[in-house]
Order: sequence, then structure tokens, then C-alpha cells
Amino acid sequence: QVQLQESGPGLVKPSETLSLTCTVSGDTIRRHYWSWIRQPPGKGLEWIGYIYYSGHTNYNPSLKSRVTISADTSKNQFSLKVTSVTAADTAVYYCARVRNYNFSQYYFDYWGQGTLVTVSS
Amino acid sequence: AIQMTQSPSSLSASVGDRVTITCRASQGIRNDLGWYQQKPGKAPKLLIYAASILHTGVPSRFSGSGSGTDFTLTISSLQPEDLATYYCLQDNDYPWTFGQGTKVEI
Repeated sequence: QVQLQESGPGLVKPSETLSLTCTVSGDTIRRHYWSWIRQPPGKGLEWIGYIYYSGHTNYNPSLKSRVTISADTSKNQFSLKVTSVTAADTAVYYCARVRNYNFSQYYFDYWGQGTLVTVSS
Repeated sequence: AIQMTQSPSSLSASVGDRVTITCRASQGIRNDLGWYQQKPGKAPKLLIYAASILHTGVPSRFSGSGSGTDFTLTISSLQPEDLATYYCLQDNDYPWTFGQGTKVEI
């Protein structure tokens, strides 16, 4: 059974860096791509980006200059950093496994439960 | 970025009703589209990928169709546990983008 669990501070001050980790069990991050998605309270979903364990990443341009996703294969974890946060970064952050179909279509088949990060002084 | 527009934004239906949700892409995306169900306070769950392939374990009352710019999620017989918000997601081009969601009330 594949499980993903987000962890990290629930409160971050404006202009500081948001840091979250996703711990994967039941699978190795050496397989598949792994992604972060966020959802502001009461709003829709936004894809942040993904990583392959080799270090290949792809980010949403809306956040690209502030976002870094990294992977630690020794801990079977991947992480998200968002710099210079504002209140607009307040959201539930989800990590998810990315699968592909026929090497072309991609989808998120396993998700973490999500963690709320509030940006406030 | 490709814009995904869902309609309606919300709907109210009765148990046993046939429900249809539409997702329109701002440009052609082949069949690079998935549907997700999000129940209140929970993470989204995958229902359908590649526009029409039912994910493992998803009830057969859910189905998807479409290609190019217009896609449909159908619930053939609405059940009480289908109370949720439904999102489409295009993976044809980066950045991957979600529709704004359709809230289904019973």
C-alpha cells in the first residue's frame, strides 16, 4: 500500500521560506515522478511542479522563480521550498505520485492527506 | 497556459440521477485529461485518466469521454457518497492545469 505523508511547519512568516517534506512508504521514489499541488482555502487546485529522483524537475511558471523541489533517495522523501512567501501562499499543500499511461498521459494516483500552511506574522 | 473551464460550477441532483459535468480546454489537448473527486476535508482521488480510462477500484457508474477540447464526466446513477467537488486536469502541456471545480450536492 503506497502512502504519502506531508510534514513541516503549519505557520510561516511573510517573506520567509516555506519548507515541506513528503515521506513515501510502500514505493521507492526512484520510480515515477513525484509532485506537489496546493489548494488555497475554499479554492481550486494548483499544480506546483514535479521531480524525478535523478533531479529532473518541472515547475509551474506562476511560482517558478520561488520554488525548488528536491529528492532524498536515502530517506525516500522529496521536499518543497517556496521562498519569499506572502498571504497568497496560504494553502493546503499536497504531495502526490505521478504515473503515466503509454508514456504520454500523466495522472496523480496516490496523494498525501495534505497539510495546511498559513502565512502570517 | 491552457485554461480549463468546467461547467456547471455547482449542481444539485437526487440519488439515482444521471449527472454530467463538462470540461472545456482553451486549445486541443488530445485525450490528455483526468478527472478527480474531492470530498470535503479530504485529498482528491483519481477517477479517470486519459479521458476515459477508469482508475482501479472506481465504481463503474463513473465514466469519461471526449477528445480535443471538450470532455465529459458522467455519473450514471448518483449515490449519496458522490457528494464532492470534481476537478478536471489537463496534462497535455506545461503547466498542468486544473478546472475550477464542479460541486455536486445531493
